[in-house]
Amino acid sequence: GAGVSQSPSNKVTEKGKDVELRCDPISGHTALYWYRQSLGQGLEFLIYFQGNSAPDKSGLPSDRFSAERTGGSVSTLTIQRTQQEDSAVYLCASSFMPGIGTGELFFGEGSRLTVL
Amino acid sequence: GDSVTQMEGPVTLSEEAFLTINCTYTATGYPSLFWYVQYPGEGLQLLLKATKADDKGSNKGFEATYRKETTSFHLEKGSVQVSDSAVYFCALTHNAGNMLTFGGGTRLMVKP
Repeated sequence: GAGVSQSPSNKVTEKGKDVELRCDPISGHTALYWYRQSLGQGLEFLIYFQGNSAPDKSGLPSDRFSAERTGGSVSTLTIQRTQQEDSAVYLCASSFMPGIGTGELFFGEGSRLTVL
Repeated sequence: GDSVTQMEGPVTLSEEAFLTINCTYTATGYPSLFWYVQYPGEGLQLLLKATKADDKGSNKGFEATYRKETTSFHLEKGSVQVSDSAVYFCALTHNAGNMLTFGGGTRLMVKP
């Protein structure tokens, strides 16, 4: 499809397990973002990739969280040793020509993570 | 740091009612302001934006005016429809890589 694709759409895991969430951005978009949407909370910025530059990891809540972006396209968000407070919807977004700063991000439908 | 505050929901209205969702922000300088909408089962999408003071963004009958003096960007629509039921997010950016700071979201429910 033409939009941002995320998988899995739903993931239930046990506390202490590792999980990987995948994001396939819109082709040609150079910037990719991960946000977290917790119940009753706004969108919390996690990490930002722009081209080949070093990612902005300033929003990652702990060292259990990491992300990579291979070949400037697909990104994987990894959460190690999951905790119940990690339960949330993880949203991926991409944008085109971020240097212009249009502010228009294109979001995927999210991956809902439930940690039991 | 930057922050965005929205009125808490849910907001429940009857069809054809007037809608206002309040949004205020705290930021240095002159950020760009946005409203995003998340329809059930879909990803967030840009609804409208304004990039400088006194600008009015509009789309699909929704409007919001960038008020620097009150640091506000309230969303309005004159006559809501059932299809407007969604979660609305106010956001801002200083255009640094398009990174957006979002408010908490306001759920709108429109009854027939």
